Amino acid sequence: AQRVTQPEKLLSVFKGAPVELKCNYSYSGSPELFWYVQYSRQRLQLLLRHISRESIKGFTADLNKGETSFHLKKPFAQEEDSAMYYCALGETGANNLFFGTGTRLTVIP
Amino acid sequence: EPEVTQTPSHQVTQMGQEVILRCVPISNHLYFYWYRQILGQKVEFLVSFYNNEISEKSEIFDDQFSVERPDGSNFTLKIRSTKLEDSAMYFCASKAALTYNEQFFGPGTRLTVL
Repeated sequence: AQRVTQPEKLLSVFKGAPVELKCNYSYSGSPELFWYVQYSRQRLQLLLRHISRESIKGFTADLNKGETSFHLKKPFAQEEDSAMYYCALGETGANNLFFGTGTRLTVIP
Repeated sequence: EPEVTQTPSHQVTQMGQEVILRCVPISNHLYFYWYRQILGQKVEFLVSFYNNEISEKSEIFDDQFSVERPDGSNFTLKIRSTKLEDSAMYFCASKAALTYNEQFFGPGTRLTVL
C-alpha cells in the first residue's frame, strides 16, 4: 500500500509566485513526517521535519492529521528552489523512512 | 559539517557478478541504512542496521543482499549475483538516535548492471 503520495511529478511556477507541493500519507498511528530536497547532482538533504515546526529557506509544512496531509509551502518561490522534493514518513517504532515518488519543482525566472 | 560518504560514485558490472558498495556513516551515528532508487521511481528502503545486526529489512532485501560493518567506520552493501533489475542509485544513510528519525544521506552510488 502506498504510504506516501505526492500527486504531482512536475510542478512549475514563476519566480515570486507561491508554491505548494502536496503530500498525503496513510498511517493510523502518530507519524513523523519529513521533507527532503535534492538539488541537481547533490545528495538528499533534510529540509523540514514536522516535529520542529520550523521554517527553512522560507518553506513551511503543517501536519494536518484530519486530511492526512503534510503539504510544503513557500509564499515566494526563488530560482534556487528548483529541485526534487520528497515527502517521507517515519512510523512509530519503525526504523526506516517511506518516501513518496517526489515532485520536481522548476522555478521559472 | 560531517557527512555520509559513499564509494564508488558509479559502478558498472556484468550480470551475475558480485558488487560491494561502500559507505562511511557519520562517526557518532548508531543506525545505518541502505535505500535504493531505480531510475524514475521513488526511494525505497532496503535495510537498517544497528548494534552489528540487521534491525529491519524490506522485501527487496533478499538472499542476494548482505550488509556488514567490517570495522568501526565502514558500512557495506554486497550484492552477490547482480541482475539487470539491480541497476539503481543506492543511498546510504545514518542517524544518531532511535527516538528521532532524522536520517542523513550519502551522495549515492549509481550501479549499472549490463
